[in-house]
Amino acid sequence: GAVVSQHPSWVICKSGTSVKIECRSLDFQATTMFWYRQFPKQSLMLMATSNEGSKATYEQGVEKDKFLINHASLTLSTLTVTSAHPEDSSFYICSAREDKNIQYFGAGTRLSVL
Amino acid sequence: AQSVTQLGSHVSVSEGALVLLRCNYSSSVPPYLFWYVQYPNQGLQLLLKYTSAATLVKGINGFEAEFKKSETSFHLTKPSAHMSDAAEYFCAVSAFSGNQFYFGTGTSLTVIP
Repeated sequence: GAVVSQHPSWVICKSGTSVKIECRSLDFQATTMFWYRQFPKQSLMLMATSNEGSKATYEQGVEKDKFLINHASLTLSTLTVTSAHPEDSSFYICSAREDKNIQYFGAGTRLSVL
Repeated sequence: AQSVTQLGSHVSVSEGALVLLRCNYSSSVPPYLFWYVQYPNQGLQLLLKYTSAATLVKGINGFEAEFKKSETSFHLTKPSAHMSDAAEYFCAVSAFSGNQFYFGTGTSLTVIP
């Protein structure tokens, strides 16, 4: 199946710093990528839909200035958590849509903000 | 609009026993349905998908699921549980032409030796 690479897998940062997470589709082009957030023992919550070459569409309640999404190419989307705070600590997962509306997921990034 | 309900947040089975994880969906349009598995600190791996073809869908690792429109269900089964099946399982629904995936709250499967 299709492969989606997410980097880094784990990041620890100080409060107030910014963190960038990359999501790459390795063997297919993805015009649409998605960013999810998962709290411990909970399901995935869609944060935003990232479309190549255009602005991301954010879900209600997600701060677009806090979570900056860039989808500059058909194989790369990035999520930047700006001025991170401890409450931003979470597991962030990206996915990329191939044809037939199938989403393939990255392995996730665990963010810990001290 | 679509939504998914997974009955039972925790399921325990003995090794070799039948695995049954329940998923009911709600959709105003023909749905695509998915089961994903998540191991600790990892992303989601697609187990199987229903995309309006055969109602009985076979996936990886011996799992299968049956789409029952009359019951709005898409339960996941495996005849014989293996220790390596212990993980979190998520059911998801999407409109056939849409982007949005709606995930259930997940079911944690424990396999008892």
